[in-house]
Formats: sequence, C-alpha cells, structure tokens
Amino acid sequence: AQSVTQPDIHITVSEGASLELRCNYSYGATPYLFWYVQSPGQGLQLLLKYFSGDTLVQGIKGFEAEFKRSQSSFNLRKPSVHWSDAAEYFCAVGARAGNNRKLIWGLGTSLAVNP
Amino acid sequence: NAGVTQTPKFQVLKTGQSMTLQCAQDMNHNSMYWYRQDPGMGLRLIYYSASEGTTDKGEVPNGYNVSRLNKREFSLRLESAAPSQTSVYFCASSLQGVGNQPQHFGDGTRLSIL
Repeated sequence: AQSVTQPDIHITVSEGASLELRCNYSYGATPYLFWYVQSPGQGLQLLLKYFSGDTLVQGIKGFEAEFKRSQSSFNLRKPSVHWSDAAEYFCAVGARAGNNRKLIWGLGTSLAVNP
Repeated sequence: NAGVTQTPKFQVLKTGQSMTLQCAQDMNHNSMYWYRQDPGMGLRLIYYSASEGTTDKGEVPNGYNVSRLNKREFSLRLESAAPSQTSVYFCASSLQGVGNQPQHFGDGTRLSIL
C-alpha cells in the first residue's frame, strides 16, 4: 500500500542550528513529492516540490529537500533555523499515473525552536 | 488575493445540530478538497471534487455531505453533529486533480461539538 512516513513526531532545535526532517515513502514508482508547513492556527503552505530533474530542490523560507531514489526518501533541510520556523511540517506524495487524484500525507513533524 | 476562504473560522455546536462549512477559491481551480485534522492523525480526506459537477468520497466520509455549488465553491455539511466530529476542517484547491498539482489551503474552521 502507498504510504508516507515521517519518523520524527517532535523535534527541538536551537535557533541557528541546522535542521533535517525525514520523509520516507512507499510507492510503486517515483511519485511527485511535496513538503508543506503549517504555522500555528494557519492552513498549510507549500514549501517546495519535486517532479523530476535535479534531486536537490530549493523552496521558500530558505528550505531545501533532497530526493534519494535508493532510499525512497525526500528529507527537508535548512542550514540555520530561525525562531519563526517553529511549525508543523508535512510531507506528501502524489501519483504520476492512474486515476489516483489524491495526495498521500505523512502525519507531520512538529518543530520547536529554542532561543 | 484571497486564495481559499473558509467560513466560519470557529463554531461550537451541540450534538445533533446541523451546520454547513463554506469554502470558496478565487484561483480558477478545478479541484477542491475537504480535510479534517486531528492530533496525531495528520490530514484525512473527507470528500473531494475533481471538477465542477463531480464529488467523490475520501478516507472518512461518514457523517458528512458535500456540494460543489459552482467552480468556486465547495461546501461541507454535517447533518447531525457528533462529538467525534470535533476537529479542525481544512478546505483546499488545486488546478487539476492529479498528483503533480500542489494544493492550496484555507486557514481552517475550528469546530467543537458538545
């Protein structure tokens, strides 16, 4: 069955430290890949997406993600975290073919940032 | 540029009451979605509409109905609210209902059922 796993439910980092949020997927072929961020009390906002080509993709707010086919992973990274990055982060995958019109969502990783 | 607008933002209901959550998008998107978000359970799809005039069930459709009123509007109705439906509800839209289309979200409706 298709699935998305975000192994870390909660992560705490210090401001200025680097960040990596993990995302693994189970899919028949390489899917479309997305990362979204949800600030407290807000809806979800698209950070970045991977469709094809360069496996390192840049997004908004200084985030990047790397697609690794061999590991079925799409991990999100940021070199230096700011206090405003405290939020919930969701990984999602979409089908490249067929009639599946829905995104499959991970359960999210909650990020706390210490001053 | 409003994007996806949900009304109301907050609502408290009593068990058995009915209500309709409204959603409108101004991006000329064809596909629209309703999700619920509960602690530890991520986003779960309730219903979606791939295009105007069509609706389909998602993962958790029981207790809900939807109406795609026109291309802009997609409403979610609770006919007889139950405490288990206490949740945050998000409406989203995408240009097309295919896997490579990012979804754009509203700010949510926080619904409590007593």
